[in-house]
Amino acid sequence: EAQVTQNPRYLITVTGKKLTVTCSQNMNHEYMSWYRQDPGLGLRQIYYSMNVEVTDKGDVPEGYKVSRKEKRNFPLILESPSPNQTSLYFCASSLGSGIVYEQYFGPGTRLTVT
Amino acid sequence: DQQVKQNSPSLSVQEGRISILNCDYTNSMFDYFLWYKKYPAEGPTFLISISSIKDKNEDGRFTVFLNKSAKHLSLHIVPSQPGDSAVYFCAASPGNNNDMRFGAGTRLTVKP
Repeated sequence: EAQVTQNPRYLITVTGKKLTVTCSQNMNHEYMSWYRQDPGLGLRQIYYSMNVEVTDKGDVPEGYKVSRKEKRNFPLILESPSPNQTSLYFCASSLGSGIVYEQYFGPGTRLTVT
Repeated sequence: DQQVKQNSPSLSVQEGRISILNCDYTNSMFDYFLWYKKYPAEGPTFLISISSIKDKNEDGRFTVFLNKSAKHLSLHIVPSQPGDSAVYFCAASPGNNNDMRFGAGTRLTVKP
């Protein structure tokens, strides 16, 4: 089954404790991205990757890191989480990015930072 | 600066009637528009799209209308079904996924 998986689905952590949210897709997609969803703001792009070893900042990259060492995986790293990073996070993938392709989203990770 | 706006946070309609969800955008560079549907505890899924060279695109019960001069698009669902109850996100792009912008979403409730 074609899918995007994220782990964990729920996470409660404390300020400053490094964490990683994993994302994996099995569709051989070149393009992957991370979004956060906040009430009244919709989905905002954090980082994206057009291919292995190619990543770039989206609209709200501060406080986040990513890496793309393999085509299928695109982890999101919060080196020192803060309460304003409490949000619902989605990983997405698509065939490419040069034109508009529909994106396939993971089920989401709800993160709470206290 | 929200370039894509969905001004109605929620909409409630009766089963069998038409649902109309609206979306406005401010960036005249946007030339491709998409609607995504999201159920609770799931990620958004693609529903329908339209490019700026068209003013209408239809897929079964779902039709998207684009009014470029007004920078407005709408999603029509006819007839509405209880299974359509979800949050609908409007998205717009100048032609690539890197610069995709999403609206805040409209929660549609279809009552039996």
